[in-house]
Amino acid sequence: ETGVTQSPTHLIKTRGQQVTLRCSSQSGHNTVSWYQQALGQGPQFIFQYYREEENGRGNFPPRFSGLQFPNYSSELNVNALELDDSALYLCASSPRGGKDTEAFFGQGTRLTVV
Amino acid sequence: QKEVEQNSGPLSVPEGAIASLNCTYSDRGSQSFFWYRQYSGKSPELIMSIYSNGDKEDGRFTAQLNKASQYVSLLIRDSQPSDSATYLCAVLSGGYNKLIFGAGTRLAVHP
Repeated sequence: ETGVTQSPTHLIKTRGQQVTLRCSSQSGHNTVSWYQQALGQGPQFIFQYYREEENGRGNFPPRFSGLQFPNYSSELNVNALELDDSALYLCASSPRGGKDTEAFFGQGTRLTVV
Repeated sequence: QKEVEQNSGPLSVPEGAIASLNCTYSDRGSQSFFWYRQYSGKSPELIMSIYSNGDKEDGRFTAQLNKASQYVSLLIRDSQPSDSATYLCAVLSGGYNKLIFGAGTRLAVHP
């Protein structure tokens, strides 16, 4: 149990729709990162939020966007869903720190785009 | 060349044996390395972190780091069927602590 919670756990959407995924970070953690994990692959970094601002972004198009709130919780929004967006979306919570910063994942949201 | 490489497996070991999982990385400046365990359909769970050359032991797990060879490994002693999972190697990269993952090695421990 990491203390990182994500909602919903499962979601089915139609191509072209929009989706919002939510994450509550572990107590004391002010940094939230989002990852996409396709079947059979390792998680891929989408972006990171620190103090309500995007603080680094991976190789994902602008239709992937996010927010962080004053309580450090975060949202991932994906517009114009494509079939390839079907994946496990993971939120990782960590304290702001140096090289010994450990990140802990929520249970993930399984998104299926049909 | 992938940034973090792992053998996809499956690695099959008998119960009670030592499982050895390996990982190589391309960024010579990397300083922080992690092993996550992921059961099928679940999210990754952090099991080990290592930052200095050498060995780090935690229970049945030992992480080994060789920065000169850009190599990280995880040893699991006295393997149990409950250790059957995918093990993800991750390297911390960039000024904003982005994790770069390998594709994972699937471990199967058979009775």
